[in-house]
This record gives sequence, structure tokens and C-alpha cells, in this order.
Amino acid sequence: AQTVTQSQPEMSVQEAETVTLSCTYDTSESDYYLFWYKQPPSRQMILVIRQEAYKQQNATENRFSVNFQKAAKSFSLKISDSQLGDAAMYFCAYGQNFVFGPGTRLSVLP
Amino acid sequence: GAVVSQHPSWVICKSGTSVKIECRSLDFQATTMFWYRQFPKQSLMLMATSNEGSKATYEQGVEKDKFLINHASLTLSTLTVTSAHPEDSSFYICSASGRSGGDTQYFGPGTRLTVL
Repeated sequence: AQTVTQSQPEMSVQEAETVTLSCTYDTSESDYYLFWYKQPPSRQMILVIRQEAYKQQNATENRFSVNFQKAAKSFSLKISDSQLGDAAMYFCAYGQNFVFGPGTRLSVLP
Repeated sequence: GAVVSQHPSWVICKSGTSVKIECRSLDFQATTMFWYRQFPKQSLMLMATSNEGSKATYEQGVEKDKFLINHASLTLSTLTVTSAHPEDSSFYICSASGRSGGDTQYFGPGTRLTVL
């Protein structure tokens, strides 16, 4: 069975700075998807970024980018120019059966 | 695009009654819908997966007779909590994925259920 680990229960970053959230996973599959979702206090899950395992190029969405290391089974999320609105729980997820990691609570300090 | 609605957003019911939660994909056809449960300060726990017109597939440990799931159309799935008890109180979230989105799941805003 697949497992997803997020080793940082909590992180904080200064506004406008950069922060990296870690995620590792375990799978025997060769083709799969990985996701980062954000859950703000409203509890609405919001897709941040998506990576297809067969693509070597790291996905990027505006200020959000990933460092996907397939051999190491690592999928970290980098948030650049952090904003107050980035404060939320961040969940890493392995698809297709969507195994979620335990989450990292990100605080953004003004 | 890819909006999922969920109704109601919160519900309070008496122990022993049944509660139905609706999940709708508003602007795409959802071939697969998922139901999750989330306890406070915890991650999402997948309860079941349903495909339109088929019986839902429940995760291990989830009582299929208590949590009835119906995926009657490509835009609607319902979760009915039967004979609810206080331990069923939780935050329930649905999500949907469609042909155009690949494996991406789009989430509803969630339903907070409180059983008295």
C-alpha cells in the first residue's frame, strides 16, 4: 500500500520569503500523479499543484513550484514570495487512490 | 472551472436519525466521486469511491450499511448517514474527478455533521 509522509507538522515563514514543505511517499508503481492541496481555515481543499510522475520537468504554478525526485520518492513544495493568504494546512497526496499525508501547518509572519 | 458544491454546509441532528449530504459537480461530468471524513486537526480519511451507475467501493473499516453512497448521475453523489450517533459527528468532504481533469480531484466545501 502507498504511504505519504510529511515530516514537518508545522512551519513558519516571514512574509515575502521562501519556504519549502517536504513530502516523501512510498510506491511500487512507475506511473502516478502527485498533488499538493491547501486547506485554509475555511476548510475548502484547494489544488495547489499537480505533478505527473512520467514528466521529469518540475511543475510550476506562479509562486508555487515542486522539486520532484522520483528515485528518492520525494515531492517537496516551494512557495516563493510568501503572502499572508498562504497560511493554511498543506497536504501532499498520492493519486490515483489519493493517499494523503498528515499535513503541514504553515504560518506566515507579517 | 471544476467547481464542486456540497449541501448542506452544516447539519445538526438527533441520535438515531438519518442525514443525507449531496455533492454536485457544477461544470464538469464527474466520472468518479469520493467521500472523505476529517477529524479535527487531522488529515482526510477516504471513506469510499463511487463511479456513476455503479456500487460504491468502501475502504476497510467503513460500514457500508451506515454510510450509504449513491452516484446516480455524472453530476450528483449522495452520502446518507443512517441511524446517526454522536461518534458519527465529523467533517465530511466530497470530491470529484472527471475525464478532462485526469486524476485531479476537485473538492466540495465540506459538511459539518453534529449528532446530539
